[in-house]
Amino acid sequence: DVKVTQSSRYLVKRTGEKVFLECVQDMDHENMFWYRQDPGLGLRLIYFSYDVKMKEKGDIPEGYSVSREKKERFSLILESASTNQTSMYLCASSLQSWSTEAFFGQGTRLTVV
Amino acid sequence: AQKVTQAQTEISVVEKEDVTLDCVYETRDTTYYLFWYKQPPSGELVFLIRRNSFDEQNEISGRYSWNFQKSTSSFNFTITASQVVDSAVYFCALSLFSGGYNKLIFGAGTRLAVHP
Repeated sequence: DVKVTQSSRYLVKRTGEKVFLECVQDMDHENMFWYRQDPGLGLRLIYFSYDVKMKEKGDIPEGYSVSREKKERFSLILESASTNQTSMYLCASSLQSWSTEAFFGQGTRLTVV
Repeated sequence: AQKVTQAQTEISVVEKEDVTLDCVYETRDTTYYLFWYKQPPSGELVFLIRRNSFDEQNEISGRYSWNFQKSTSSFNFTITASQVVDSAVYFCALSLFSGGYNKLIFGAGTRLAVHP
């Protein structure tokens, strides 16, 4: 079974803190994604990576950065957390082909206070 | 514009009722894929089905069926004889190859509540 694992299920951070969300997949997938899920807005793409050290901005990259030093690991970084970044964050991975389905982690619910 | 619209925010049904979840998409690409995912209360999205733009055959899998109509840009999902375990948020998604990269666009989701 494909497994995508996010390091934390719940996180509470203070405004201004630097926050790292980690995601690991075990199926040697080329593509990895970070989405943000908010009620009524669905899943919005923050960043994605199609190879090690390669990254592309999604639809809402402001306030975020990413790192992919190894193929299996994709990190989302909030440089200075703000309350409007309180949300559910979902990591996903897929094979390079755009016709294949994505596999998702269980999500990290981040609260910034 | 590339967009997925799920107009139904929430649907509430009683067990054993049939329910249809609507999905309308927009793209100018002629080649694309459509997906449905289920997100149960545990949070992890689960893949249900994939359909490419050249295959308009309807599909049935147990109590689930999908109706793809290119003429109306719709990819609707029907659950027959719904069960409490079907309660979840369901997402429709459009997959494109755009600008050299795979882009996966989700709708806002439909929350389905099935009551005993």
